[in-house]
Amino acid sequence: QSALTQPASVSGSPGQSITISCTGTSSDLGRYNYVSWYQQHPGKVPKLIIYAVSNRPSGVSNRFSGSKSGSTASLTISGLQPEDEADYYCNSYSSSNTLVVFGGGTKLTVL
Amino acid sequence: DVQLVESGGGLVKPGGSLRLSCVGSGFSFSDTWMIWARQAPGKGLEWVGRIKRPTEGRPIDYAAPVKGRFTISRDDSKNTLYLQMNSLRSEDTAVYYCSTRFCSGETCWDEAIDNWGQGTMVTVSS
Repeated sequence: QSALTQPASVSGSPGQSITISCTGTSSDLGRYNYVSWYQQHPGKVPKLIIYAVSNRPSGVSNRFSGSKSGSTASLTISGLQPEDEADYYCNSYSSSNTLVVFGGGTKLTVL
Repeated sequence: DVQLVESGGGLVKPGGSLRLSCVGSGFSFSDTWMIWARQAPGKGLEWVGRIKRPTEGRPIDYAAPVKGRFTISRDDSKNTLYLQMNSLRSEDTAVYYCSTRFCSGETCWDEAIDNWGQGTMVTVSS
């Protein structure tokens, strides 16, 4: 069982916006603003798309945005495109016995 | 371009050992915190551990499930990261990725992982 909780799946139509949640505890998301998001296409390695809650690495589309409230972080993808169909993972720094914890992942389907 | 190339994966029996290697190029290896992560077949990502630069205090941290069984080390003269895995269990079966901590300018973020190798598969089975 993953330390952070994500919905198993979300879906949306091209052009729409979707939001993926990532829920933690007072030991991770509730304590630190160190949350990142990753996109992973089938058979590919993960790609960092958001760091430090809401920052995008160079080259990442501004259709991806992040936020956090309390112990829940969110990834929003606006203007959905077919190539956004992938698995998305959140992770966070943690004060528990594992320094960095991941969510279980969310499969995004673009209908 | 940053390149990370893992090797050393394979099939091992429960209780056995394996050593993974990762050679980095295209960046200043000795100045970079290196990370091992893994992904079981069809499952999510899991952080395994990290190693800081040798000059930094408390240089190595491990995830709870591997602490005491896995050892991370580095040889900066060879730009190589290692993961020694002992007392392997079936639940250690996964693709193991070598990766780097993300930094932007002089600021780095401990949870953020940017460059990833292609991974090496470890299968623990009798």
